[in-house]
Amino acid sequence: GDSVTQMEGPVTLSEEAFLTINCTYTATGYPSLFWYVQYPGEGLQLLLKATKADDKGSNKGFEATYRKETTSFHLEKGSVQVSDSAVYFCALTLLSGGYNKLIFGAGTRLAVHP
Amino acid sequence: GAGVSQSPSNKVTEKGKDVELRCDPISGHTALYWYRQSLGQGLEFLIYFQGNSAPDKSGLPSDRFSAERTGGSVSTLTIQRTQQEDSAVYLCASKTVGRAYEQYFGPGTRLTVT
Repeated sequence: GDSVTQMEGPVTLSEEAFLTINCTYTATGYPSLFWYVQYPGEGLQLLLKATKADDKGSNKGFEATYRKETTSFHLEKGSVQVSDSAVYFCALTLLSGGYNKLIFGAGTRLAVHP
Repeated sequence: GAGVSQSPSNKVTEKGKDVELRCDPISGHTALYWYRQSLGQGLEFLIYFQGNSAPDKSGLPSDRFSAERTGGSVSTLTIQRTQQEDSAVYLCASKTVGRAYEQYFGPGTRLTVT
């Protein structure tokens, strides 16, 4: 079945460090790919997305590139801040039965220290 | 404008009792989803509503779970005879129909079954 696998956390970094959170997917069709973020005490927010191969989604300094050949959508940021501490979810949607439902990875908790 | 709202924000109930969780989607969004976020299972799809079409209930974990959407707007998720494994955060999301549109999530209802 369709699924998303992302690296386990927690990931602990110092401020200004480089961040990579790996995400790979398995899908029978041609999915759209997303990163969602959940800040402490808040709801899920869309961070970025990509809808076709080689697309790069970007937002708030975060980037991810849709790699069809490796079925990956790794999240990167060049210099993290304490305010980036949150749980990050990789997800995909497929058009199935006329609608999209999100299939999420398990989430990766990021903690950034000053 | 107003986002997706959910009520209550927290609910503590005794095992065996019934609970109702409410979701008010963004005005004009015809698609509505329920998801569950739990420690053991991560984020999982429960049910999908689109307009007046029959809902996709394929993610509901048991027949103790049901959901309604009245007038194409407000939705209620009902859990009968709650069990401790039902303890989770229940998330609602809504979106405009169309593959390019993202799902907007509410803040969730944290359900604790004692």
